[in-house]
Amino acid sequence: NAGVTQTPKFQVLKTGQSMTLQCAQDMNHEYMSWYRQDPGMGLRLIHYSVGAGITDQGEVPNGYNVSRSTTEDFPLRLLSAAPSQTSVYFCASKENTEAFFGQGTRLTVV
Amino acid sequence: AQSVTQPDIHITVSEGASLELRCNYSYGATPYLFWYVQSPGQGLQLLLKYFSGDTLVQGIKGFEAEFKRSQSSFNLRKPSVHWSDAAEYFCAVASTGGGNKLTFGTGTQLKVEL
Repeated sequence: NAGVTQTPKFQVLKTGQSMTLQCAQDMNHEYMSWYRQDPGMGLRLIHYSVGAGITDQGEVPNGYNVSRSTTEDFPLRLLSAAPSQTSVYFCASKENTEAFFGQGTRLTVV
Repeated sequence: AQSVTQPDIHITVSEGASLELRCNYSYGATPYLFWYVQSPGQGLQLLLKYFSGDTLVQGIKGFEAEFKRSQSSFNLRKPSVHWSDAAEYFCAVASTGGGNKLTFGTGTQLKVEL
């Protein structure tokens, strides 16, 4: 069982660069979401999707874009990376209310 | 808006001692409540969840939590802590509509002394 797979696990970007964090799930869940985790702040919701073709903003959406063309994939795009986006990013998929998390992507923006 | 408060940032207990991690939530209706555990460098693993019914819920690894509506609390307990329980613990609340968004507390870091 692969569950939720995130790539890459680690990434270093320069300020202003763009990149896409990949997230794929094989559980046929309709609901997927992206969180960022920062020390002392828990996990904060960036964007979420309730199904293919439907996305919405979470608590901290600025600087991030998402799309959901298939049920399986939910990529997160950083358009112009900033040091404030240095964080650990988690993707999750959810069935009913139980969420399954990926292993995270540790992103550093220098 | 829903919110979760975990008042203890760090807790240290001795191996074999009992543990209680506090969680208070704010939500207008009956919430869905969760406890997750995160080991260093890992993702989050669900320990237990409360939707309705019996207010004392049992989870994995010997953990339990009690939902107290009158106190808006969902504290996590374990009778005897093992060194392998050292990790960060997150309480979360999900709305019962609007996409069931999960809102997390800021976490409690548990250290276990041998």
